[in-house]
Amino acid sequence: DAGVIQSPRHEVTEMGQEVTLRCKPISGHNSLFWYRQTMMRGLELLIYFNNNVPIDDSGMPEDRFSAKMPNASFSTLKIQPSEPRDSAVYFCASSPRGAEQEKLFFGSGTQLSVL
Amino acid sequence: GQNIDQPTEMTATEGAIVQINCTYQTSGFNGLFWYQQHAGEAPTFLSYNVLDGLEEKGRFSSFLSRSKGYSYLLLKELQMKDSASYLCALANQAGTALIFGKGTTLSVSS
Repeated sequence: DAGVIQSPRHEVTEMGQEVTLRCKPISGHNSLFWYRQTMMRGLELLIYFNNNVPIDDSGMPEDRFSAKMPNASFSTLKIQPSEPRDSAVYFCASSPRGAEQEKLFFGSGTQLSVL
Repeated sequence: GQNIDQPTEMTATEGAIVQINCTYQTSGFNGLFWYQQHAGEAPTFLSYNVLDGLEEKGRFSSFLSRSKGYSYLLLKELQMKDSASYLCALANQAGTALIFGKGTTLSVSS
């Protein structure tokens, strides 16, 4: 099992540029989550999907952020335009069905730096 | 809404026992979780409590009191590799996602 796969591992961009983060969940998991982690705010839930459908996007900070899950094996988080305050580690996580549905499996994260 | 409080930092020595506390407020309880996160890595699942009491798993144990809105993670026989951040998390009201505290950074010295 390859685990949750995120790309890129690191992203450095300039303010105003579009950033796209990618995630492949564990095969068979039906829930996918995007989190953002900073020293000041800790690990924040941005949005999550169940069976490819967005369930709760109340954590998405602004309209500059958008997320999609076109199929069960792929999701993207897009920031357009990016700002320096978006600099953080962005984690994708997936969880299986049933009793362990809240046991999250995290990807390695994308370290985003917006200059 | 939900609110989670943990100490920011703790220090301990190898071989010792350490207790990391977590207090929370929530309008709907659906379970409490502990995750471990080493520096530069992703969080990994440690434990899950939904009923009051102690859950033991090797050197790690987790306790829950729902009436007091309180949990703790107990680490025994500390090792250097236990130096990490420990995150307390609540399942949201729908029981479909986790809301994390800011974590407690534990430093274990020899």
